[in-house]
Amino acid sequence: GAGVSQSPSNKVTEKGKDVELRCDPISGHTALYWYRQSLGQGLEFLIYFQGNSAPDKSGLPSDRFSAERTGGSVSTLTIQRTQQEDSAVYLCASSGYRGREQYFGPGTRLTVT
Amino acid sequence: KQEVTQIPAALSVPEGENLVLNCSFTDSAIYNLQWFRQDPGKGLTSLLLIQSSQREQTSGRLNASLDKSSGRSTLYIAASQPGDSATYLCAVRDQQGGSEKLVFGKGTKLTVNP
Repeated sequence: GAGVSQSPSNKVTEKGKDVELRCDPISGHTALYWYRQSLGQGLEFLIYFQGNSAPDKSGLPSDRFSAERTGGSVSTLTIQRTQQEDSAVYLCASSGYRGREQYFGPGTRLTVT
Repeated sequence: KQEVTQIPAALSVPEGENLVLNCSFTDSAIYNLQWFRQDPGKGLTSLLLIQSSQREQTSGRLNASLDKSSGRSTLYIAASQPGDSATYLCAVRDQQGGSEKLVFGKGTKLTVNP
């Protein structure tokens, strides 16, 4: 079946603009995660959704970052008033049930100029 | 706070060699550990998942071991091939709390020379 998909694959934006990144998880997966991979920083957790439970937002770096998951499927990560330090690859993952493997999408490379 | 370290940061070997990648974590109270590979410009591909109650997992030429009490895992690659060239990432999921977030190491960049 289809894996995790993300769009766009690349996004270049000007400092101060808002951006939206989209993630389509594997069909039937109840858990969805966003991570960020910055040059030299490694992968860091941003936010986690599990079914209808309140999301774990503990990894969001500032209030400019927000995410939602509609209908328990597609998720959108929004970054408002982008800054150059937001430049990174944003990766989405999904998982079928608790404690199981996380499957990653190809990522969105965000460049803030 | 959980921290994951991978050594070495980079490794270059000739084709056919067996090799070991190391991963260590500071808090032994983990739920599971997952090894990934990442090709340049690509996302992550899951290789092996080891639950905290397991000692090892095998898939083809790959074998991952887990020693939870000492906070270590190794990924063994047998008979390496140029196609194995990639960055290998280790990630742990903590036992504490309800979040299932993974904490990642910074990876080992492997180059297998023909």
